[in-house]
Amino acid sequence: EVQLVESGGGLVQPGGSLRLSCAASGFTLSSYWMHWVRQPPGKGLVWVSRINSDGSNTKYADSVEGRFTISTDNAKNTLFLQMNSLRAEDTAVYYCARGSYGSNSWIDSWGQGTLVTVSS
Amino acid sequence: DIVMTQSPDSLAVSLGERATINCKSSQSLLYSSNNKNYLAWYQQKPGQPPKVLIYWASTRESGVPDRFSGSGSGTDFTLTISSLQAEDVAVYYCQQYYSTSSFGQGTKLEIK
Repeated sequence: EVQLVESGGGLVQPGGSLRLSCAASGFTLSSYWMHWVRQPPGKGLVWVSRINSDGSNTKYADSVEGRFTISTDNAKNTLFLQMNSLRAEDTAVYYCARGSYGSNSWIDSWGQGTLVTVSS
Repeated sequence: DIVMTQSPDSLAVSLGERATINCKSSQSLLYSSNNKNYLAWYQQKPGQPPKVLIYWASTRESGVPDRFSGSGSGTDFTLTISSLQAEDVAVYYCQQYYSTSSFGQGTKLEIK
């Protein structure tokens, strides 16, 4: 069974940093493209970032480019999102998600999400 | 960047009646080399992550009831629930995966 379990969320001050982790099980991370998608409280889904299966290619939404970094540790089957220079508008539930196959594919599995709150 | 716009923002339908949600993309999602539309539909219930219902605009995910159907091509797409059930109350999102990814703003579906 495919499982994605996020961790690392919490309360952080504006300008601070946080590192989210997503532990994958039931499949091999290095065989899939992976995404981070966020959802501000009471609002809709916003795509944040993706990484290809071998970790050589990454892409970011304009709103986080230069501040967030997506990466993987294939030995630990874990996906990460390093978030720096955090702003109030980054407050959201962050979901780790798996692309169904290769590039340009829909998302077929989601974690339960981890809440990030940016506030002083 | 491709912008996805859904209509309406909210919808109230009687049990057993048809529900229709529309999604429009700012550019075509039809890839000519394989004649596929890079469009998916998701359902999200309160306190849960989204769940995929439809991909390639009209292919139903395994296990999804056949009252859910997707149609459309190019820039205009529709999700139809043929006979609304109580468990279908949720927010529905369209997503394009033609160029990286982006989601519509969501449509909240309620019982009338």
